[in-house]
Amino acid sequence: QVQLVQSGAEVKKPGSSVKVSCKASGGTFSSDGISWVRQAPGQGLDWMGVIIPILGTTNYAQKFQGRVTITADESTSTAYMELSSLRSEDTALYFCAKTSVGTWRLDPWGQGTLVTVSS
Amino acid sequence: DIQMTQFPSSLPASVGGRVTITCRASQSIITYLNWYQQKPGKAPKLLIYGASSLQSGVPSRFSGSGSGTDFTLTISTLQPEDFATYYCQQTYSIPLTFGGGTKVEIK
Repeated sequence: QVQLVQSGAEVKKPGSSVKVSCKASGGTFSSDGISWVRQAPGQGLDWMGVIIPILGTTNYAQKFQGRVTITADESTSTAYMELSSLRSEDTALYFCAKTSVGTWRLDPWGQGTLVTVSS
Repeated sequence: DIQMTQFPSSLPASVGGRVTITCRASQSIITYLNWYQQKPGKAPKLLIYGASSLQSGVPSRFSGSGSGTDFTLTISTLQPEDFATYYCQQTYSIPLTFGGGTKVEIK
């Protein structure tokens, strides 16, 4: 059973960028995708986008379009999410999740990475 | 984007009781609906996919039903470990969208 292991917490200044990694441990991405979902403190879940490495395709939610870039390195089974032009409202827990193409099931999830944006 | 509305947002319940959570989509999503459970500080966990299919390893006291725009998640006999927040998610179209969540609390 593959597990997703994310990089550690980050503290960033407003206007800067952050890049979070998500490595598949005990397996590979195979033909699945990797979604990124964020959760602001005390709030619900917000889907940001997905990459399907085997197809080389990405889809982003409109609200993040232009600021988010999702990439993947199949050789290391690692996906990345980069968010630019950070503002305080981007302070959140960022999760990656294996995404079954077709059913769009998100399972399993990484442990989450806290990104704090503060001057 | 398809809007997902869950109710109630908070649900006091007792161990051993039956719990029903409702999720409504802003348009028909057929049965493209998943349910997740999230405990504080933890990642969400997939419970139900395709509106009614139980994810492997999930206890049978969890069940899902519905189609079109209206869906329910039922916990038949609430256990102490079931106190958590539950989210529905539509997978009919991109962007994938979640409901606002239902927090099942101890009564």
